[in-house]
Amino acid sequence: SYELTQPSSVSVSPGQTARITCSGDDLPTHYTSWYQLKPGQAPVLLIFSDTERASGIPERFSGSTSGTIVTLTISAAQAADEGDYYCQSSDRIEGYSHVIFGGGTRLTVL
Amino acid sequence: QLHLQQSGPGLVKPSETLSLTCTVSGDSISSSPSFWGWLRQPPGKGLEWIGSTFNDGTTYYNPSLKSRLTISADTSKNELSLSLRSVTAADTAIYYCARNVVMGTAPPGYFDSWGHGTLVTVSS
Repeated sequence: SYELTQPSSVSVSPGQTARITCSGDDLPTHYTSWYQLKPGQAPVLLIFSDTERASGIPERFSGSTSGTIVTLTISAAQAADEGDYYCQSSDRIEGYSHVIFGGGTRLTVL
Repeated sequence: QLHLQQSGPGLVKPSETLSLTCTVSGDSISSSPSFWGWLRQPPGKGLEWIGSTFNDGTTYYNPSLKSRLTISADTSKNELSLSLRSVTAADTAIYYCARNVVMGTAPPGYFDSWGHGTLVTVSS
């Protein structure tokens, strides 16, 4: 199995652009999704299939790919965007695909 | 609107079985093209996929948990269930159920709607 690597933390000022990366050798051949987690709340799907924005997600959130790195970009970051962000893709074990997650990135907006 | 309501004990003794239920409203497990999954997040750690099941009984499990795990769907009750046997303190986590949208006929896909989570503590 292999791992998805994310920075442990990203910090931006309000109004700036936050970029959270996720790297993995197999990312060019598997779709990536992104989730936002906040304490006490249900996790929220932000991006699926690398670049598709989930229903109800503001256009400020976007996904992109470049080789073995996928990026979640949050434009005009707000205090409400603070939380933990996870990328998710797949790994192939015992002959079929499994769900794997990156280690998560804590976004601070201050 | 899809809603996933989780239920089950918040405290389980070591070596016993952790059992959780997820009641789905706003979608029908029996007719949905999606899988239905369980995930967890141990305290201070990242997300981990536990497994996903389809309405025909097809199930995919995380290999690291497979030997202790049963996930099933009761289509008559529109419920999803999780059973994790022989638990230890390492199984302490927030457990989530979620709809697992797949792009083919099997996971991974993505999880587009989640329950609020159940904190399960394994302790005597």
